Amino acid sequence: GDSVTQMEGPVTLSEEAFLTINCTYTATGYPSLFWYVQYPGEGLQLLLKATKADDKGSNKGFEATYRKETTSFHLEKGSVQVSDSAVYFCALISDAGKSTFGDGTTLTVKP
Amino acid sequence: KAGVTQTPRYLIKTRGQQVTLSCSPISGHRSVSWYQQTPGQGLQFLFEYFSETQRNKGNFPGRFSGRQFSNSRSEMNVSTLELGDSALYLCASGRGAGYEQYFGPGTRLTVT
Repeated sequence: GDSVTQMEGPVTLSEEAFLTINCTYTATGYPSLFWYVQYPGEGLQLLLKATKADDKGSNKGFEATYRKETTSFHLEKGSVQVSDSAVYFCALISDAGKSTFGDGTTLTVKP
Repeated sequence: KAGVTQTPRYLIKTRGQQVTLSCSPISGHRSVSWYQQTPGQGLQFLFEYFSETQRNKGNFPGRFSGRQFSNSRSEMNVSTLELGDSALYLCASGRGAGYEQYFGPGTRLTVT
């Protein structure tokens, strides 16, 4: 079946540091890929998406590129802020419409 | 546009009871999915409904069931509650297969 593997956390960075959270996937066909963010006490919010190979999703300074050759969708941000502290989930939706989420990576940004 | 709403937000039940959770999707969305989130197991997919039909199902026992109404609102039911059912239950709506999902704030269920 489909699977999503995320970099294990927690990740702790200083403000203005560069962020990378690795995500790789296993799926047949051509899934759509997503990053979601969850702040404490809230549901998940869509951060960015990519629906085909080589697409780059971007939002709020975060970026991720759909790499079919390496089955990856790594999340990056050039300069993190304290307000970026949250749990980040990588996810895919298969051609059949089934969603699979990674285990989540907790990011803490210190001032 | 109003977001996904879930009711109730918090619920306390005792073992053996049953519970029904409700989800109202974003207007125009016909797909509704349910997830269970726990610290130990992460985010687990329960099931997905589209136009009143269950289209996908996760690996949960038959005590977990759901349905979707003609207005796309959805309910999930858990019968014979166990302590391990304590979790945050999240509902997400979307336009359909392959489209992004929008999550509600969740229902926090505590089973004592």
